[in-house]
Amino acid sequence: GQNIDQPTEMTATEGAIVQINCTYQTSGFNGLFWYQQHAGEAPTFLSYNVLDGLEEKGRFSSFLSRSKGYSYLLLKELQMKDSASYLCAVSGGGFKTIFGAGTRLFVKA
Amino acid sequence: GAGVSQTPSNKVTEKGKYVELRCDPISGHTALYWYRQSLGQGPEFLIYFQGTGAADDSGLPNDRFFAVRPEGSVSTLKIQRTERGDSAVYLCASSPSGRSTGELFFGEGSRLTVL
Repeated sequence: GQNIDQPTEMTATEGAIVQINCTYQTSGFNGLFWYQQHAGEAPTFLSYNVLDGLEEKGRFSSFLSRSKGYSYLLLKELQMKDSASYLCAVSGGGFKTIFGAGTRLFVKA
Repeated sequence: GAGVSQTPSNKVTEKGKYVELRCDPISGHTALYWYRQSLGQGPEFLIYFQGTGAADDSGLPNDRFFAVRPEGSVSTLKIQRTERGDSAVYLCASSPSGRSTGELFFGEGSRLTVL
């Protein structure tokens, strides 16, 4: 079967660092994505990993370990506007992209 | 417009009625996806088009749901005999190609409420 697990909610303080974990089991693997979704809005693309290792893009970094079926999204220097849901998504066999339930991040002052 | 456009943005209907939701993808994008999102959940895959053909429709919940993309651009999601459980936000996304390296560009969604 196909399954993507991520924590339901996390809370962090403005200016801090937070790591959102994602584990997955899918039929085939063609890459892992992270999307950000603010309440009432559409998801927007953050990052893509297809090879093991860390991809850094400004305040956001994403890590992938294919052998462990594991990824994390790292957010540095948290800002209030980072309060949102973060969706882990995997492109499996046939290029079908499956999403996890999302992690709601609350950033407090 | 430059982005993915979905209409209507909101649709309220009665149980048993027929509904059509429209998606206009980014010009030139060959891949088009439909997802359904309930409150507090991630997007649930419904169907994926590559050009005019449905490459994968394994996510359609039952035969009341059908989608078309006759000219490889605009797509319509059709729901027959709507049920209260169909209430959700229906998201459309497009991608330059069907390759997995392509990020998905989402529309704002069509919020369907079945009374």
